[in-house]
Amino acid sequence: ILNVEQSPQSLHVQEGDSTNFTCSFPSSNFYALHWYRWETAKSPEALFVMTLNGDEKKKGRISATLNTKEGYSYLYIKGSQPEDSATYLCAFSDFQKLVFGTGTRLLVSP
Amino acid sequence: NAGVTQTPKFQVLKTGQSMTLQCAQDMNHNSMYWYRQDPGMGLRLIYYSASEGTTDKGEVPNGYNVSRLNKREFSLRLESAAPSQTSVYFCASSANREETQYFGPGTRLLVL
Repeated sequence: ILNVEQSPQSLHVQEGDSTNFTCSFPSSNFYALHWYRWETAKSPEALFVMTLNGDEKKKGRISATLNTKEGYSYLYIKGSQPEDSATYLCAFSDFQKLVFGTGTRLLVSP
Repeated sequence: NAGVTQTPKFQVLKTGQSMTLQCAQDMNHNSMYWYRQDPGMGLRLIYYSASEGTTDKGEVPNGYNVSRLNKREFSLRLESAAPSQTSVYFCASSANREETQYFGPGTRLLVL
């Protein structure tokens, strides 16, 4: 059974704060690590796909890093805005399947 | 380009009734999935179809059946609905099982 863990479970920050979350995954049979953004009452949308150790991806104020040797990925949000409030899911894929973590719920207050 | 579509968007059932949730994708993806989302539980995989003609159980298959009708369509059937099946159901598809999944808008199901 693949174990994909995310921390923290939830986070409440003020507008303008920078924040980061962690995704831990098995370090063996690595194929790719995905990050999704999931807003309330909507469906999950893919943010990044990372495949190489040391990969860094950026989309606006959101960025992600990947360490496949130690089995973790960080998602960073710089200068959080209320519209960043969402659940951020990571998903690990080996060569056979994609397994989701349970997510980090972010709330950004004005 | 519609992506992944689901019908219905919302449904109320009485305990014991049956219904089928429909899902279709127009991205020529091989793999399709059904998830349920419950508060505090994240996404839990019910069934998946790695390719046309195959289906397999996921984490929480009890009380459900699926049909991969063709490459585009993957339906989820509740034979005898129970209140524990009240949930939001998401269909997703991907090129192959290890690739990025694209989600439909969800079906909100209430079983009384």
